[in-house]
Amino acid sequence: KNQVEQSPQSLIILEGKNCTLQCNYTVSPFSNLRWYKQDTGRGPVSLTIMTFSENTKSNGRYTATLDADTKQSSLHITASQLSDSASYICVATNQGGKLIFGQGTELSVKP
Amino acid sequence: GAVVSQHPSWVICKSGTSVKIECRSLDFQATTMFWYRQFPKQSLMLMATSNEGSKATYEQGVEKDKFLINHASLTLSTLTVTSAHPEDSSFYICSARDSLAGLRYEQYFGPGTRLTVT
Repeated sequence: KNQVEQSPQSLIILEGKNCTLQCNYTVSPFSNLRWYKQDTGRGPVSLTIMTFSENTKSNGRYTATLDADTKQSSLHITASQLSDSASYICVATNQGGKLIFGQGTELSVKP
Repeated sequence: GAVVSQHPSWVICKSGTSVKIECRSLDFQATTMFWYRQFPKQSLMLMATSNEGSKATYEQGVEKDKFLINHASLTLSTLTVTSAHPEDSSFYICSARDSLAGLRYEQYFGPGTRLTVT
């Protein structure tokens, strides 16, 4: 069964701190892995997209990693800011182009 | 970057009425567009896939006669919620796939439409 699981479900950190969000997927045949940021009441915004041959991808303070062998991905946020408070969604795409969404990690950055 | 717009951004309607939501790709052509529904604290749920010039494909459990989808051009898809009921209240998000994206299947999401049925 195609599935994406994220952990933790929610996370509270202090401004300026780093954090890492985890994602495990069982999607076959696998095409790519995406991380999205979704602010409350807004649509998801793409942060990174990685194919199976890519191990890491950065976008500013966001760095995503992918281990296609263990089917795991992580999103590392460096020097967090208050504006990083959002839901972070891991999405695996199969080779037919279907997106399988994780439940998201709710990140709250406190001053 | 690629931009997808939705209109309206929020709408309140009375039970029994119909509501139309528009989704436009502003700077690229989208052969395929997708409609999602999102309830509070939950992830996006795919409702249907629409391809320009053909009938939409609905996910299991989604009533095609209730959620009418029209994808009349390469930049516009519409979702009409017919005879809306309070349980249809939700956040509706569209996404558009860039026709030139190839195997990356890049999708760009709209900002969403908040529907409240009273």
